[in-house]
Amino acid sequence: AQTVTQSQPEMSVQEAETVTLSCTYDTSESDYYLFWYKQPPSRQMILVIRQEAYKQQNATENRFSVNFQKAAKSFSLKISDSQLGDAAMYFCAYRASSGNTPLVFGKGTRLSVIA
Amino acid sequence: GAVVSQHPSWVICKSGTSVKIECRSLDFQATTMFWYRQFPKQSLMLMATSNEGSKATYEQGVEKDKFLINHASLTLSTLTVTSAHPEDSSFYICSAREGGLLEQFFGPGTRLTVL
Repeated sequence: AQTVTQSQPEMSVQEAETVTLSCTYDTSESDYYLFWYKQPPSRQMILVIRQEAYKQQNATENRFSVNFQKAAKSFSLKISDSQLGDAAMYFCAYRASSGNTPLVFGKGTRLSVIA
Repeated sequence: GAVVSQHPSWVICKSGTSVKIECRSLDFQATTMFWYRQFPKQSLMLMATSNEGSKATYEQGVEKDKFLINHASLTLSTLTVTSAHPEDSSFYICSAREGGLLEQFFGPGTRLTVL
């Protein structure tokens, strides 16, 4: 079974600074997708960024970028120029590309942004 | 982007009663819907996967007779918590996907409190 591990229950960052959230996963699949979701206090899940495993290039979305290391099964999220609105729970998620499979989530990292 | 709604957003009920939660895809055909449960400060735990017109597939440990899922149309899925007890109090989130598309869209969640 696939598992997703987020080893940092909580992280904090100064406003305007950069922070990296860690995620590792375990799978025997060769093709899959990885995601980072943000869950603010409203609890609405918001997609931050996604990465296709077959792509070597790391995905970027404005201030958010990932470091995808397929061999190491690592998928970290870097948030640059942190803003107060970035404070939230961040969940790393995995989905196999074959079949109608659901997302498998890590336990999450609570990010605080200090003004 | 695609929108998924949930109703009600919160509900309080007495122990022993049943509660129905609706999940609707507003602007796409949700061929697959997923129901998650989230306890405070924890991650999303998948309860079941349902395909339109088919019986739901429940995750291990989830009682299908207690959590009845109906996915009768391409825009509506319902979760009924039967004979609710205080331990069923939680945040329930639905999520939907269209066909073989990659992205999975999330509803805003329903907070259930059983007294």
